[in-house]
Amino acid sequence: DTGVSQDPRHKITKRGQNVTFRCDPISEHNRLYWYRQTLGQGPEFLTYFQNEAQLEKSRLLSDRFSAERPKGSFSTLEIQRTEQGDSAMYLCASSQGTVNSPLHFGNGTRLTVT
Amino acid sequence: DAKTTQPTSMDCAEGRAANLPCNHSTISGNEYVYWYRQIHSQGPQYIIHGLKNNETNEMASLIITEDRKSSTLILPHATLRDTAVYYCIVSGAGGTSYGKLTFGQGTILTVHP
Repeated sequence: DTGVSQDPRHKITKRGQNVTFRCDPISEHNRLYWYRQTLGQGPEFLTYFQNEAQLEKSRLLSDRFSAERPKGSFSTLEIQRTEQGDSAMYLCASSQGTVNSPLHFGNGTRLTVT
Repeated sequence: DAKTTQPTSMDCAEGRAANLPCNHSTISGNEYVYWYRQIHSQGPQYIIHGLKNNETNEMASLIITEDRKSSTLILPHATLRDTAVYYCIVSGAGGTSYGKLTFGQGTILTVHP
């Protein structure tokens, strides 16, 4: 399968712990996006990368959230000091980065904070 | 990006065509119409997109009105596996805005046997 891969699929953590999620985009895609989806809502844009450069991070929900894409390939999303309100599905997507190229999403990481 | 309006839910009989409408009356000249769907517990799946001409691919057809203020996604022969939430999204093509999709509530399509 050459689609977008996310790991882990599910993560249960206790409030206050740090968590990190990984995303492997489609190999020829230079743009990588992170979205968050809470129950009953559509996905919400968080941040994106063009190769290794993070071009927008203003939508990251707080300074507890950070994302990296160190070599322009895979990306990680870290949440520090998790709160129960962080419970959601975290989705990664990639695209070729041309003007109208569509996004291809992974199946997400479901985070539950207890 | 322009806002879209979709019906909350729709039903369709298996084997029949499913026609999903979307209103985007404030769409700008350089904004594309994208359709994605999301099956429970999976990530959104890209279906089709267009600017002003009708488009067709192996999954669906997209009909955009001449004034571009509305569009219809057509699944020609719906199957039970097409049951999903369908999102119509308008996204700008200029600058850095593309890829920053604004998802609404979408339309819950239920295909019945």
